Amino acid sequence: NAGVTQTPKFRILKIGQSMTLQCTQDMNHNYMYWYRQDPGMGLKLIYYSVGAGITDKGEVPNGYNVSRSTTEDFPLRLELAAPSQTSVYFCASRPGGGDRGYTFGSGTRLTVV
Amino acid sequence: QKEVEQNSGPLSVPEGAIASLNCTYSDRGSQSFFWYRQYSGKSPELIMSIYSNGDKEDGRFTAQLNKASQYVSLLIRDSQPSDSATYLCAVTAESGNTPLVFGKGTRLSVIA
Repeated sequence: NAGVTQTPKFRILKIGQSMTLQCTQDMNHNYMYWYRQDPGMGLKLIYYSVGAGITDKGEVPNGYNVSRSTTEDFPLRLELAAPSQTSVYFCASRPGGGDRGYTFGSGTRLTVV
Repeated sequence: QKEVEQNSGPLSVPEGAIASLNCTYSDRGSQSFFWYRQYSGKSPELIMSIYSNGDKEDGRFTAQLNKASQYVSLLIRDSQPSDSATYLCAVTAESGNTPLVFGKGTRLSVIA
């Protein structure tokens, strides 16, 4: 099993550009999450999904959008990129049942210039 | 707002010593607690979970939970240089849909 796969690993965007961060998991997990991590900071939740067709905002959703059309995929869309969105983005998933930790993808390092 | 607090460190311990990492949380309804290890430039990996008051041991790692004091800790026995990393404490309010809330992490340095 590949686990949680994120692409791309690195990206440089110019201010105002848009892009989609891809996240795919092959573990048939219902729950998927997007976090961002700034230097010296913990993980902040952007969006999450409890199943296909269901998404909800986290702590820092502004400037982002998500969709969940399948169990496997949970892409994160950045519209009109801003320097404040420079960060490392992690996608994670877990199976149903609350007492389970997350499996994280390897992350996407995004720089907006 | 639910908060998870950790001392950012760095916490420096000599090789072979016990490293003690601490975490407090604000939501008294929290039920599930996790410790993740994150090496520099890598993604977090789960090392321990604990749900009941008391101690839980897994190899060199022991997680301790005290819900009355809203406190969770991680002990690493016989610390090795390979344990040098940032340790993230994560808490969720209830079993089910609630996402994890992460602390900022404690950076541990094990000196050979």
